Amino acid sequence: DAMVIQNPRYQVTQFGKPVTLSCSQTLNHNVMYWYQQKSSQAPKLLFHYYDKDFNNEADTPDNFQSRRPNTSFCFLDIRSPGLGDAAMYLCATSPERGAGHEQFFGPGTRLTVL
Amino acid sequence: GEDVEQSLFLSVREGDSSVINCTYTDSSSTYLYWYKQEPGAGLQLLTYIFSNMDMKQDQRLTVLLNKKDKHLSLRIADTQTGDSAIYFCADRSNDYKLSFGAGTTVTVRA
Repeated sequence: DAMVIQNPRYQVTQFGKPVTLSCSQTLNHNVMYWYQQKSSQAPKLLFHYYDKDFNNEADTPDNFQSRRPNTSFCFLDIRSPGLGDAAMYLCATSPERGAGHEQFFGPGTRLTVL
Repeated sequence: GEDVEQSLFLSVREGDSSVINCTYTDSSSTYLYWYKQEPGAGLQLLTYIFSNMDMKQDQRLTVLLNKKDKHLSLRIADTQTGDSAIYFCADRSNDYKLSFGAGTTVTVRA
């Protein structure tokens, strides 16, 4: 089945130790998104790729970076995780940007920072 | 950014109807969405409504939109235990960005 896959599902890292989260999709969608969802809060968009074009949200900390080496894969890099970065990280894809295009979400990676 | 607000908790008896309410501030929203999140899972699109509609029905789900009051509701008829989840209201604030509410945790009791 076509889907959005996130690995790992659970990630534990140490304070300040770089960590990379992975997202892959078999949908061949142009757009890939990364959201951060803290406990009992709304998912918050960090950035998105439209094809190879990276679009950062204005309030996304510099500590968060992303790479999209090809259509299928997108990575979220946290350069120096702090305790406040513990959250669920959700990857989503959509065929195109625009209100009529559904975003398909992966199951998320829960990040714990010790 | 655009604000989307919803109540945090709802408890409902199995077989009853659930109504989840949401308010938003962006008058230019074109689509409004309801997503469901089960424990440990990602967000699943349940339904959406275009801003020029007042109501949309899809099996057990009914979405009502009051554009004047910027109020959106989701009614689940004959609520089942499998409906226990967090429900997120979202609006499209520009051509790509979804603005989510904090989610309503629905608990279905026997």
